[in-house]
Amino acid sequence: NAGVTQTPKFRVLKTGQSMTLLCAQDMNHEYMYWYRQDPGMGLRLIHYSVGEGTTAKGEVPDGYNVSRLKKQNFLLGLESAAPSQTSVYFCATRRQSNQPQHFGDGTRLSIL
Amino acid sequence: DQQVKQNSPSLSVQEGRISILNCDYTNSMFDYFLWYKKYPAEGPTFLISISSIKDKNEDGRFTVFLNKSAKHLSLHIVPSQPGDSAVYFCAASALGYGGATNKLIFGTGTLLAVQP
Repeated sequence: NAGVTQTPKFRVLKTGQSMTLLCAQDMNHEYMYWYRQDPGMGLRLIHYSVGEGTTAKGEVPDGYNVSRLKKQNFLLGLESAAPSQTSVYFCATRRQSNQPQHFGDGTRLSIL
Repeated sequence: DQQVKQNSPSLSVQEGRISILNCDYTNSMFDYFLWYKKYPAEGPTFLISISSIKDKNEDGRFTVFLNKSAKHLSLHIVPSQPGDSAVYFCAASALGYGGATNKLIFGTGTLLAVQP
């Protein structure tokens, strides 16, 4: 999906390790979101940002932190990874409230 | 409590026929609904949306119908093509209530398989 780039695409971690997922967008969108997708659960919102320097909690924020120091980047951090955080993580962006969200291609994260 | 439900995990349709994907919601504050399509190893792609002030929105082969009294929406694909085979997610938002956040609540998805 052009415009929203997620890195890395795949990662395997051991329990207790930390890592940061990066979402970068070149569409100058104000709003950015982090979701996780698990089998049979659809996409669930972790954290979101309505502009540079702002963040807020979504449905499932526990165990994650985020930062939006620059408008184009939204970082998702796992301080101490747990097997329950094994999932596919998607970043999304949106220009205005009445427009659809645009998604990146996801990061597949496995925690052993 | 799941506010957006897609009760059919999968659907199989013959090429050229109509595909009908269904979605139910429970929150009466939802006023903006979207359908996303997702291929394996890719992110969801926006397909079509509808506001609660309408009961139908059409875009080429894709039509979304909204029945507010039943809290039900459906996506019709006519004619179905093999390239339509993907997972389809329904999503809803309380645009008029959530302010600038416009958080989307997603259903669990329906896997559509269009047989040649």
